[in-house]
Amino acid sequence: NAGVTQTPKFQVLKTGQSMTLQCAQDMNHEYMSWYRQDPGMGLRLIHYSVGAGITDQGEVPNGYNVSRSTTEDFPLRLLSAAPSQTSVYFCASRPSGDSLYGYTFGSGTRLTVV
Amino acid sequence: DQQVKQNSPSLSVQEGRISILNCDYTNSMFDYFLWYKKYPAEGPTFLISISSIKDKNEDGRFTVFLNKSAKHLSLHIVPSQPGDSAVYFCAASIGGKLIFGQGTELSVKP
Repeated sequence: NAGVTQTPKFQVLKTGQSMTLQCAQDMNHEYMSWYRQDPGMGLRLIHYSVGAGITDQGEVPNGYNVSRSTTEDFPLRLLSAAPSQTSVYFCASRPSGDSLYGYTFGSGTRLTVV
Repeated sequence: DQQVKQNSPSLSVQEGRISILNCDYTNSMFDYFLWYKKYPAEGPTFLISISSIKDKNEDGRFTVFLNKSAKHLSLHIVPSQPGDSAVYFCAASIGGKLIFGQGTELSVKP
């Protein structure tokens, strides 16, 4: 049982490049989310999904796309990377139903855009 | 518009004493409130939660208090231990979304 797996762990991109951050969970969780963590800003929600085929925007969705074709995977796409997207990105998942036990988080992807 | 706020970026306490971390929110529709703990280079880990219909939840050394009229929650850690040193995030749930505060860095001195 691997939990929430994020790849890659580190990435350096040039401005304007595109890439996909991968997230997979093996707990059969319906809900998945992407966050970015920046100093002094806490964790900000980018996009989230409540099931396969269903996605919605969070607090800071601009510049990012998501899709949810399977329960297990929730990739985050950067369309044209900008230095402002330099951050640590976390993927998380939880079962459907009440939020008493919260989301389980992956270990993060540290992205630098130069 | 920050819906969940932690106004203290840092807190330092002596080992064995009580740590009190605070959090304010603006949306009365939040249904659950959670606290997460985060160490450097790791993902956040769930610590304790409380339903919006409760005012207190206790788990070992950790107690969360919810004051709905003030839209305020707090996390009490008693007694504090050096291993509790980490960044603590409060979070609030609505629908499928979990909204986080900015975090408070707790340092427990031996």
